[in-house]
Amino acid sequence: SSELTQDPAVSVALGQTVRITCQGDSLRTFYASWYQQKPGQAPILVVYGKNIRPSGIPDRFSGSRSVNTASLTITGAQAEDEADYYCNSRDSSGDHLLFGGGTKLTVL
Amino acid sequence: QVQLQESGPGLVKPSETLSLTCAVSGFSISSGYYWGWIRQPPGKGLEWIGNIFHSGTTYYNPSLKSRVTISVDTSKNQLSLKLSSVTAADTAVYYCARMTYDSSYPWGQGTLVTVSS
Repeated sequence: SSELTQDPAVSVALGQTVRITCQGDSLRTFYASWYQQKPGQAPILVVYGKNIRPSGIPDRFSGSRSVNTASLTITGAQAEDEADYYCNSRDSSGDHLLFGGGTKLTVL
Repeated sequence: QVQLQESGPGLVKPSETLSLTCAVSGFSISSGYYWGWIRQPPGKGLEWIGNIFHSGTTYYNPSLKSRVTISVDTSKNQLSLKLSSVTAADTAVYYCARMTYDSSYPWGQGTLVTVSS
């Protein structure tokens, strides 16, 4: 498969937990990385590999994978987490990168 | 601290070639990693354009492969993107990034390229 599928929009109440998912056949083989993008800014890496956070990323962000679905979980969402989130992985060949269509997260 | 900065013309005419450079500071390109380009049309999602390994091996998005060339200049510590025969559909913010096999970090701030006559 050459696609990664994300829900276009998700909302969460302030302080609650939200899961953003990314589905694709290649995720059976490869981990996803997750990027947060706020309006007018470049994307930043928040989680990659088997749940690894770059320095400076709060520990409320975590990643997981089950069969062909990768998930980004935000435990205790904050107002500043409102953003677009993109998953990224490889296609089944391993040579090419894919991005999901993005999920707009609204924190209520 | 690794930093990347894209530069190039903000306006390109249809059918011409888009040329961008990405200056890398704080890390030597020849030391390793993949280096790549990603773009984002206004109001839309991210699209991977291609990667180049520090040794020069390239990987391109199949949908763009016939028009894309990515190269590195280790003497200037920069990478370049050329996209030929552009159309309005190539209007986007273009980002460069340092890449590993499973992540892209950091990214440049991006540069908007508009294709218009």
